Amino acid sequence: AQTVTQSQPEMSVQEAETVTLSCTYDTSENNYYLFWYKQPPSRQMILVIRQEAYKQQNATENRFSVNFQKAAKSFSLKISDSQLGDTAMYFCAFLKTGNQFYFGTGTSLTVIP
Amino acid sequence: DTEVTQTPKHLVMGMTNKKSLKCEQHMGHRAMYWYKQKAKKPPELMFVYSYEKLSINESVPSRFSPECPNSSLLNLHLHALQPEDSALYLCASSQVRAYEQYFGPGTRLTVT
Repeated sequence: AQTVTQSQPEMSVQEAETVTLSCTYDTSENNYYLFWYKQPPSRQMILVIRQEAYKQQNATENRFSVNFQKAAKSFSLKISDSQLGDTAMYFCAFLKTGNQFYFGTGTSLTVIP
Repeated sequence: DTEVTQTPKHLVMGMTNKKSLKCEQHMGHRAMYWYKQKAKKPPELMFVYSYEKLSINESVPSRFSPECPNSSLLNLHLHALQPEDSALYLCASSQVRAYEQYFGPGTRLTVT
């Protein structure tokens, strides 16, 4: 089975600052996908960003970017210019083609005004 | 349109009741999922439907009964639940299995 580890249960960041959430995973597969999902206090899970393992270029979506290190099996999320609306639980997820999602345990991020 | 809708938003039921949760998507997705989520925990997969057929049942107790009437609808029928079944129930859909999933807002279920 695949495992996804988020070693930071809770983090906080000052508004407008940058924060990085870490995620590592364990797999013997070569082709897979990685995702970051955000779940604000209203509880709807929202897809933040995705990364295909075969792509060397790190994915970017506006203020959100990833640092994908395939050899190290690391997939961190960087949030720039943090906003109050970024306060949420963040889940890292691993997906192997033809199989199900594996979620990490989550990181609770609080943006402090 | 990346919307998955779920009804009701909140549900309180006794242990002898029968109720149903509903999920709907109009994105043409052919895979739909039910998850159970406890507070501050990741979602736990319960069921997967692929092309309206049940493809994964993660050893869920029979008091939870899924149904996929068509490609846009997914139901979860509940009967004789236990207090420990109280949780947020999330529905998700994806183009087919193995693509990113889009989640609904969830149904907050309380079993008394």
